[in-house]
Amino acid sequence: QKEVEQDPGPLSVPEGAIVSLNCTYSNSAFQYFMWYRQYSRKGPELLMYTYSSGNKEDGRFTAQVDKSSKYISLFIRDSQPSDSATYLCAMRTSGGSNYKLTFGKGTLLTVNP
Amino acid sequence: NAGVTQTPKFQVLKTGQSMTLQCAQDMNHNSMYWYRQDPGMGLRLIYYSASEGTTDKGEVPNGYNVSRLNKREFSLRLESAAPSQTSVYFCAGQNMNTEAFFGQGTRLTVV
Repeated sequence: QKEVEQDPGPLSVPEGAIVSLNCTYSNSAFQYFMWYRQYSRKGPELLMYTYSSGNKEDGRFTAQVDKSSKYISLFIRDSQPSDSATYLCAMRTSGGSNYKLTFGKGTLLTVNP
Repeated sequence: NAGVTQTPKFQVLKTGQSMTLQCAQDMNHNSMYWYRQDPGMGLRLIYYSASEGTTDKGEVPNGYNVSRLNKREFSLRLESAAPSQTSVYFCAGQNMNTEAFFGQGTRLTVV
């Protein structure tokens, strides 16, 4: 079992739809959880950053972390064609000087006008 | 601020050739990373440098070497390129309690 599992999709939705993206993980030591967005032929860019369990909202985006279930989600409300990208979940432990991230494989999202 | 800069952006190599991918950051990151990204495989860590003067292997280090030249620069070297090393390579920098910032990637093809 990989440390982080993410459904690769692809996911295709109409404009205005609510999108739900999810990751599960096996390492209970993970404390920091991130969602990155990657446009085609570009580097990943941070979208959401959460520490431990709970919800975080930023505009149309909401990140949820459920550490008891080892499950994280990203919700996109009122999705737009500009949201079309690959979404990668990432997470890391809090220990020492090693901040390295473990990534999911990414979910390719297409929002159709 | 340029952020994290990778050179070159594109490269074609013949099997057995060597090359060095360069990465420089102006964000004062302590930690720097090299990833490769392949279809269906996500981002896989090749090597990382937790701080200046240290380097460690990641998930897929075979066939690669790295040098943390100073705090700003972290290079990745392929001594004898193989077709299996055809990939998109990303460099990233990070500090504690911050996100990782990525470069724009180097697309490498080994023929």
